[in-house]
Amino acid sequence: DAGITQSPRYKITETGRQVTLMCHQTWSHSYMFWYRQDLGHGLRLIYYSAAADITDKGEVPDGYVVSRSKTENFPLTLESATRSQTSVYFCASSEAGGIYTDTQYFGPGTRLTVL
Amino acid sequence: AQSVTQPDIHITVSEGASLELRCNYSYGATPYLFWYVQSPGQGLQLLLKYFSGDTLVQGIKGFEAEFKRSQSSFNLRKPSVHWSDAAEYFCAVGGESFQKLVFGTGTRLLVSP
Repeated sequence: DAGITQSPRYKITETGRQVTLMCHQTWSHSYMFWYRQDLGHGLRLIYYSAAADITDKGEVPDGYVVSRSKTENFPLTLESATRSQTSVYFCASSEAGGIYTDTQYFGPGTRLTVL
Repeated sequence: AQSVTQPDIHITVSEGASLELRCNYSYGATPYLFWYVQSPGQGLQLLLKYFSGDTLVQGIKGFEAEFKRSQSSFNLRKPSVHWSDAAEYFCAVGGESFQKLVFGTGTRLLVSP
């Protein structure tokens, strides 16, 4: 009954390092999303996935890589972290099947600081 | 492309008073509209959503929102605010691909005793 979880909840890293943020959902939802939340910008979509092995760019994809080999996992990788990627990252999921079922359910977030 | 404006960054309301949070959207076709709430340190939780039909939508926690096409608005209301309602509120609009939401910048609600 975990729902959607993210790990780690907090991460401090240095410029240039690779960082992977994990997202896991237990509902077998088809769609998964990564957002970043920054003051003055609200939430902005980084990448989303409609199913395993299907991913697409959102509004701000540069500097990020995603994969989805299993339906329940959707990791987000910062290949070479920059200070501008300091943010709070939210993962979300929703089930496919029609306009009445596309509520997005959000994880608790990961606060990432890049020094 | 769709966009959302939440003109109020902060709002302070006395406990027991009524609340209205403003949301204006821009989208050429019929929008899919959502209100989410984010409590401190938490993820976002859906309060309510509008797709079609009755323009007054009821949500959880006593919230409601009214879709006004002529004003491109989807304002959130609550008749009597509780201290536990203090949080950040986000309006969002869905567009061509309804699974992709565009969020507003949020309104932080403060509740005074």
